[in-house]
Amino acid sequence: GNSVTQMEGPVTLSEEAFLTINCTYTATGYPSLFWYVQYPGEGLQLLLKATKADDKGSNKGFEATYRKETTSFHLEKGSVQVSDSAVYFCALPNTGNQFYFGTGTSLTVIP
Amino acid sequence: SQTIHQWPATLVQPVGSPLSLECTVEGTSNPNLYWYRQAAGRGLQLLFYSVGIGQISSEVPQNLSASRPQDRQFILSSKKLLLSDSGFYLCAWSVNVGPSSTDTQYFGPGTRLTVL
Repeated sequence: GNSVTQMEGPVTLSEEAFLTINCTYTATGYPSLFWYVQYPGEGLQLLLKATKADDKGSNKGFEATYRKETTSFHLEKGSVQVSDSAVYFCALPNTGNQFYFGTGTSLTVIP
Repeated sequence: SQTIHQWPATLVQPVGSPLSLECTVEGTSNPNLYWYRQAAGRGLQLLFYSVGIGQISSEVPQNLSASRPQDRQFILSSKKLLLSDSGFYLCAWSVNVGPSSTDTQYFGPGTRLTVL
């Protein structure tokens, strides 16, 4: 089935630093790819998605490009803020009606 | 717009007691519904999913069960809780796009369960 491999954390950055969280996928065909964010004590929220190769998803200053050549969907942000501290999950649809979620990358941004 | 509710938000239960967690979705019909568990500092574990009333698929054999008595209601239950059942329980829904595919999943706020 489909799967993702996500960069292990935790990641600690200073405010205004550049962020990259790596995600590579294995899939049959070209399914949509997703990034979710989970703030402390909350459920997961959809951060962004891309539905086909070369698409770029973006939201709240975060971006990720669906690259089929490298089977990657890395999450980037040019200047992180303290409020971006959260756990980030890469995900894609799997067999049937299920999703495959990565293991999550914890990000802490310090002032 | 669609919203998803979970309750209770937090729960502390003794070992051996029963459990009932409820999830309801508003603003959509015939959604796919999912129960996940997240242990402390860990990723998501899919427990159950449902593509329609009375249709439940179990992903992990354990002492938990799920039911879908109404189209937009999903219940997670246990007859006797174990210490290992502690965790953060998340309900999610997605648009039903057919038997072999799925769309974006939308999550509820979660229930924090502590078994003592």
